[in-house]
Amino acid sequence: LAKTTQPISMDSYEGQEVNITCSHNNIATNDYITWYQQFPSQGPRFIIQGYKTKVTNEVASLFIPADRKSSTLSLPRVSLSDTAVYYCLVGDPFNNAGNMLTFGGGTRLMVKP
Amino acid sequence: ETGVTQTPRHLVMGMTNKKSLKCEQHLGHNAMYWYKQSAKKPLELMFVYNFKEQTENNSVPSRFSPECPNSSHLFLHLHTLQPEDSALYLCASSQDPAVTPDTQYFGPGTRLTVL
Repeated sequence: LAKTTQPISMDSYEGQEVNITCSHNNIATNDYITWYQQFPSQGPRFIIQGYKTKVTNEVASLFIPADRKSSTLSLPRVSLSDTAVYYCLVGDPFNNAGNMLTFGGGTRLMVKP
Repeated sequence: ETGVTQTPRHLVMGMTNKKSLKCEQHLGHNAMYWYKQSAKKPLELMFVYNFKEQTENNSVPSRFSPECPNSSHLFLHLHTLQPEDSALYLCASSQDPAVTPDTQYFGPGTRLTVL
């Protein structure tokens, strides 16, 4: 199973760009990278998913280098409402659904005024 | 709204009680999941159902009993729980774990307190 490592916490200020990096050194060829956001007492919410290079949607961007051993979630111009825990998941949905279902400790992002 | 609802949102029960948590998804998904999230701990996968068949049970104690009567409904029956079972119980659904890429949609959770 691909293990992920993220910083435990990060602080930022409103309007700044926030980059959260996830390390997954033993990522397998068929693995995808998925990020979720979770607010207190709520279920996680899907943010973005990618396999390689760069993926962008209306919420965030995901940067994946060529070796795929890490990925960076980029949140542009954060606001107070972006304060949450962010989880990085790595797995192969074809061969082992359980891989995609292992949540690590996540990164607790605190956005300050 | 994610299309996944859970009831009740809050539940307080004694150790000798029997209660059930309910999850319903309105997304036409084929897979449903139960997770447990204790205070300041990562989410723990408990059960996975795919096309109504249980495909994963992560060594969950028998005092937790899941039931999936159809692809839209998932229950978690609780019996003789312990105080350490107090946690946020989250239900999720996804289209099909065998289809890439598959994304899980989570419900709001049930906050369970065992006295």
